[in-house]
Amino acid sequence: AQSVTQPDIHITVSEGASLELRCNYSYGATPYLFWYVQSPGQGLQLLLKYFSGDTLVQGIKGFEAEFKRSQSSFNLRKPSVHWSDAAEYFCAVGAGGATNKLIFGTGTLLAVQP
Amino acid sequence: DAGVIQSPRHEVTEMGQEVTLRCKPISGHDYLFWYRQTMMRGLELLIYFNNNVPIDDSGMPEDRFSAKMPNASFSTLKIQPSEPRDSAVYFCASSPPGSPLFYEQFFGPGTRLTVL
Repeated sequence: AQSVTQPDIHITVSEGASLELRCNYSYGATPYLFWYVQSPGQGLQLLLKYFSGDTLVQGIKGFEAEFKRSQSSFNLRKPSVHWSDAAEYFCAVGAGGATNKLIFGTGTLLAVQP
Repeated sequence: DAGVIQSPRHEVTEMGQEVTLRCKPISGHDYLFWYRQTMMRGLELLIYFNNNVPIDDSGMPEDRFSAKMPNASFSTLKIQPSEPRDSAVYFCASSPPGSPLFYEQFFGPGTRLTVL
């Protein structure tokens, strides 16, 4: 069965530092992969997506993610974190087959220190 | 584009009362999803519709929960009777037709439900 693992529950970084959030998936075919961000009291906002093609995808707010098939990973990166990036980040994979479900990871809560 | 619209944004009710949550998807989207988010269980898919037809309701917790989509621009999630353990944030999301676009879900702001 498809699954998504986000191994880091909480991460704290200093403002201006680089960021990498990890995501590993389990899926037999080429996956459709997503990163969402949830600010406090808000819904989930799509940051970026991978369907096919270039394995390095650019998203909104200066985020990027790289699809690595050999590692079954889709890690999210940002070169310089801003205080407004403090939020919870969710990785998701399209479940495929006869269903249209997204399988979400458990999320990584990002705190940004001044 | 107004995005996915949910109402009410906050609902406080007493145990045993009926609760109705409402959702208006993005125009042109023909998939609609209802999720529940809690600290303990994270984000759970309750049910989803395609072209107003329920496709998968395996996540609906029990018979107290029901969802309808009478037309392409409106859906409801009803809890009757409500219980304190139903307290959560309920999200509605919609996605456009066609593969793989239907995986690209757009979320509403959520309804925070508190059952006393």
